[in-house]
Amino acid sequence: AQKITQTQPGMFVQEKEAVTLDCTYDTSDQSYGLFWYKQPSSGEMIFLIYQGSYDEQNATEGRYSLNFQKARKSANLVISASQLGDSAMYFCAMREFPLNFGNEKLTFGTGTRLTIIP
Amino acid sequence: EAQVTQNPRYLITVTGKKLTVTCSQNMNHEYMSWYRQDPGLGLRQIYYSMNVEVTDKGDVPEGYKVSRKEKRNFPLILESPSPNQTSLYFCASSPHLAGLDNEQFFGPGTRLTVL
Repeated sequence: AQKITQTQPGMFVQEKEAVTLDCTYDTSDQSYGLFWYKQPSSGEMIFLIYQGSYDEQNATEGRYSLNFQKARKSANLVISASQLGDSAMYFCAMREFPLNFGNEKLTFGTGTRLTIIP
Repeated sequence: EAQVTQNPRYLITVTGKKLTVTCSQNMNHEYMSWYRQDPGLGLRQIYYSMNVEVTDKGDVPEGYKVSRKEKRNFPLILESPSPNQTSLYFCASSPHLAGLDNEQFFGPGTRLTVL
């Protein structure tokens, strides 16, 4: 079963509008972290925002905020006032508490390609 | 500047010709990992290392080898590359057991094409 699901393969949004990128996750752990990464056309992975499973407040970083709904197991990324430079692939990822203090891997979704229209 | 470097950034090779993709980090991180990115599949972990001489398989280890002789370096070795290993490869590092919130730092990626 997929642990991270991003149901929007692609989105087109008008510049200056807000955009929500969906992410749902599946875990039986109580402790986990959720991450969003941006991948521009140049290919690098840019960390955007983090939300911990025990965090009571939704995370915010500048124009990025994470709409965390624990009971629904969703962690949607909200970008306010979108800009042309926001056009990129966006990945949601989860880190679960490592078993036996071992692997700290990130499990990624399949990504959403966001295109901002002028 | 704190960073993860990978070389080469782009590589076109032929089936069966052994190659190594190097990864180096200057942050004294214990944990290092290799991922491959394929369209429609996101990033999947190939191998990881929790410290020097400690490596283990990730989700898609077939056809790859790694080594961790020094803390800063974590090369990915393809002994006999095949076309299905054509992909974008990322090396990542982070402190080990430093908390769920600690960021994994990614290298710039290596785009590999196997003909």
